[in-house]
Amino acid sequence: GENVEQHPSTLSVQEGDSAVIKCTYSDSASNYFPWYKQELGKGPQLIIDIRSNVGEKKDQRIAVTLNKTAKHFSLHITETQPEDSAVYFCAAARTNFGNEKLTFGTGTRLTIIP
Amino acid sequence: GAGVSQSPSNKVTEKGKDVELRCDPISGHTALYWYRQSLGQGLEFLIYFQGNSAPDKSGLPSDRFSAERTGGSVSTLTIQRTQQEDSAVYLCASSLKGANSPLHFGNGTRLTVT
Repeated sequence: GENVEQHPSTLSVQEGDSAVIKCTYSDSASNYFPWYKQELGKGPQLIIDIRSNVGEKKDQRIAVTLNKTAKHFSLHITETQPEDSAVYFCAAARTNFGNEKLTFGTGTRLTIIP
Repeated sequence: GAGVSQSPSNKVTEKGKDVELRCDPISGHTALYWYRQSLGQGLEFLIYFQGNSAPDKSGLPSDRFSAERTGGSVSTLTIQRTQQEDSAVYLCASSLKGANSPLHFGNGTRLTVT
């Protein structure tokens, strides 16, 4: 089955600086890669996703890149703000083989230092 | 509109007792997922429903765990003869079609087995 590794497990950055979180996946058939943000006491919330036919996607301060050859994808947050502090999870799924399971990474606790 | 609702939000039970956790998905969402999140850990897949059928129940840890979904809507996760290692947050998510569309998570049920 799919295995997703995520690094780093914790990350502290100064407010206004950029943060980068990296993930690798094992199943070359995976074709959908979402990122979720989880705040304390709440369920994860989708913040951005990318499909395998695209190399990069951007939404305001958040961007995701995908390297299918190397089987890794990254989340980039620019101009970080205190409200960006949360746990971030990457995930991978192969959605065209009837297996609709999302496999998650182990999470990155991001702390923005004011 | 209403999001995914889970009940109870917290459950404390004695070792050996049975528990039932409930999930009300977003109306019209055909796919429903159960994940487990242990303290400070990632999301562990338990089971996936498409309508009332469970094409993938590969993540259920043991035969003490079972789940059902009725009317293509509400789902119940049952844990029989609870053990201390079952203590975790149980998260439910629903999506319009499957993993290819965004998963909407509830806030989870925090289960503590004493």
